[in-house]
Amino acid sequence: EEQVVESGGGLVQPGGSLRLSCAASGFTFSNYELNWVRQAPGKGLEWVSYISSSGSTIYYVDSVKGRFTISRDNAKNSLYLQMNSLRGEDTAVYYCVSKYYDFWSGYLSFVWGKGTTVTVSS
Amino acid sequence: EIVMTQSPATLSVSPGERATLSCRASQSVSSNFAWYQLKPGQAPRLLIYGASTRATGIPARFSGSGSGTEFSLTISSLQSEDFAVYYCQQYNSWPWTFGLGTKVEIK
Repeated sequence: EEQVVESGGGLVQPGGSLRLSCAASGFTFSNYELNWVRQAPGKGLEWVSYISSSGSTIYYVDSVKGRFTISRDNAKNSLYLQMNSLRGEDTAVYYCVSKYYDFWSGYLSFVWGKGTTVTVSS
Repeated sequence: EIVMTQSPATLSVSPGERATLSCRASQSVSSNFAWYQLKPGQAPRLLIYGASTRATGIPARFSGSGSGTEFSLTISSLQSEDFAVYYCQQYNSWPWTFGLGTKVEIK
């Protein structure tokens, strides 16, 4: 079974840092594109960052550029999100989302974890 | 950025009845469109991708349709486990964007 499990969330003061991790199992990690998506309390889903299967292509939503860094370790089947200079508006549940697309069959898979909660507050 | 607009915000339905949810994109996303079901404390569940393809293990009572800018999700006969919040998503262009959700509640 394809599965991703997030960890590393917690309470942090404004301006602080946190590193989220996502451990994957049940699929060939190095073939999958990965994303972080967040949901602030009472709000909708917001895509945060993307990293390609090789790690060579990376995107961020404008609000986290220069503060967040996405990375992956294919040898450890793990995804990371280093979050610096945290703000109150970064408070959210952060989800790890894997994406696999097979061009020939048209098969698409999005696998989400249960999320890890980040609270930025003094 | 593509804006996804879902309607209605809340849908009150009796078990066994049919529910139809809508989502509109501010510009064409072709068929690069998905529906998710969210329940508190659970991982979001992919229901539909490619606008109309059911994800693995999704019951046949869930169906999706549409392309371009107008999409819909139909649940043919609501079961107790279907009462949840549903989100639409476009993955045609960056950034991925989501609707604000439709809460399907028991009438």
